[in-house]
Amino acid sequence: QSALTQPASVSGSPGQSITISCTGSSSDVGSYNLVSWYQQHPGKAPKLMIYEVTKRPSGVSNRFSGSKSGNTASLTISGLQAEDEADYYCFSYAGSSSYVFGAGTEVAVL
Amino acid sequence: QVQLVQSGAEVKKPGASVKLSCKASGYTFTSYYVHWVRQAPGQGLVWMGVINPSGGDTRYAQNFQGRVTVTGDTSTSTVYMELISLRSEDTAIYFCARAEDSPQAFDYWGQGTLVTVSS
Repeated sequence: QSALTQPASVSGSPGQSITISCTGSSSDVGSYNLVSWYQQHPGKAPKLMIYEVTKRPSGVSNRFSGSKSGNTASLTISGLQAEDEADYYCFSYAGSSSYVFGAGTEVAVL
Repeated sequence: QVQLVQSGAEVKKPGASVKLSCKASGYTFTSYYVHWVRQAPGQGLVWMGVINPSGGDTRYAQNFQGRVTVTGDTSTSTVYMELISLRSEDTAIYFCARAEDSPQAFDYWGQGTLVTVSS
């Protein structure tokens, strides 16, 4: 199972909105609404930001939102803040009780 | 409060095996799946496998089939991950994380265990 495709890096200025894409196939992202997104700061464990494509866990800022179209899921961060600078990973169910992560995207706040 | 506490760092020689632990507390152990995820230095997250502590069913990523075994002990609320035939490319931080049956999204993570494979 190959990693889902994400851009290596995305950047934006404070207050701007950015979108991170996560492209899979009809075997994973395209077939299931089981995409989640994780934020990881250096030296830390990942943190759940979005689950089931669009749902936000309690305590996660509403500046984070998720969507999906076909085989591509997306994470949008609006009102970009310095604390959003981190790595972001998508994760999807891939059928037959298997799962796959995206390759990861480094978000820089300029 | 929910906690997943992992065992300490390991240094192993190529060809050896390693068995890591992940002790759960603060929730009903058998109500959540436990996954293992690894991250090589400077690299991304890789899903390795999962166990349903209620019954012990396991699934493994194809890349680790035959080398990884995940087990659970309900008496101590602990999940174990054993990786055999270690090679230098297995040097990584290994995380355990819990998820509900649906959705399979990781709401709590262990602190990670560094495994270094070096001759």
